[in-house]
Amino acid sequence: DTGVSQDPRHKITKRGQNVTFRCDPISEHNRLYWYRQTLGQGPEFLTYFQNEAQLEKSRLLSDRFSAERPKGSFSTLEIQRTEQGDSAMYLCASSLVGRGPGELFFGEGSRLTVL
Amino acid sequence: SQQGEEDPQALSIQEGENATMNCSYKTSINNLQWYRQNSGRGLVHLILIRSNEREKHSGRLRVTLDTSKKSSSLLITASRAADTASYFCATPLNGSGNTGKLIFGQGTTLQVKP
Repeated sequence: DTGVSQDPRHKITKRGQNVTFRCDPISEHNRLYWYRQTLGQGPEFLTYFQNEAQLEKSRLLSDRFSAERPKGSFSTLEIQRTEQGDSAMYLCASSLVGRGPGELFFGEGSRLTVL
Repeated sequence: SQQGEEDPQALSIQEGENATMNCSYKTSINNLQWYRQNSGRGLVHLILIRSNEREKHSGRLRVTLDTSKKSSSLLITASRAADTASYFCATPLNGSGNTGKLIFGQGTTLQVKP
């Protein structure tokens, strides 16, 4: 399977713990995005990278959230001191610059439950 | 706030019938996309329509775009049980960007009964 992969698919944690999600994009894609989706809502943009550079962060991304893409390939999204409001599906997507206006390829998501 | 709003929020039809979903948005855009999401899964891109296009077809899908009304519709013809999913419209976060930063509507949940 050469699509976008995310790990873990499910994570249950206690409030106050740190969690980290990993995303492996489609190998030739140079852009990588993180979105968050809560139940019954559409995804909300969090941040995106072009190669290893983080180009934009949404105001939704509090200081407890940090994302990296150290070698321009996989990315990690870390949430520190989790809160119950962080419970959501975290979706990663990738795209290729120059391949049209922003069609995204999504992974299956990492579902976070904070108890 | 969400850029796009879908209507209806939920739709239940029989297999073989057509399903129409509508999306309205607020700001000027240069393209609009539709995505499908099966329950608990990631999103799959269906179709993109540019602002200079009024209608586009892909298999059993027909998308229209009316920029004067800031609205789009997705028609699925001859629906199948496998079409059961949530459908989202998405527009560029800053209206005309090509960066992949999208703003999604709340989605229409479609149930196709066999």
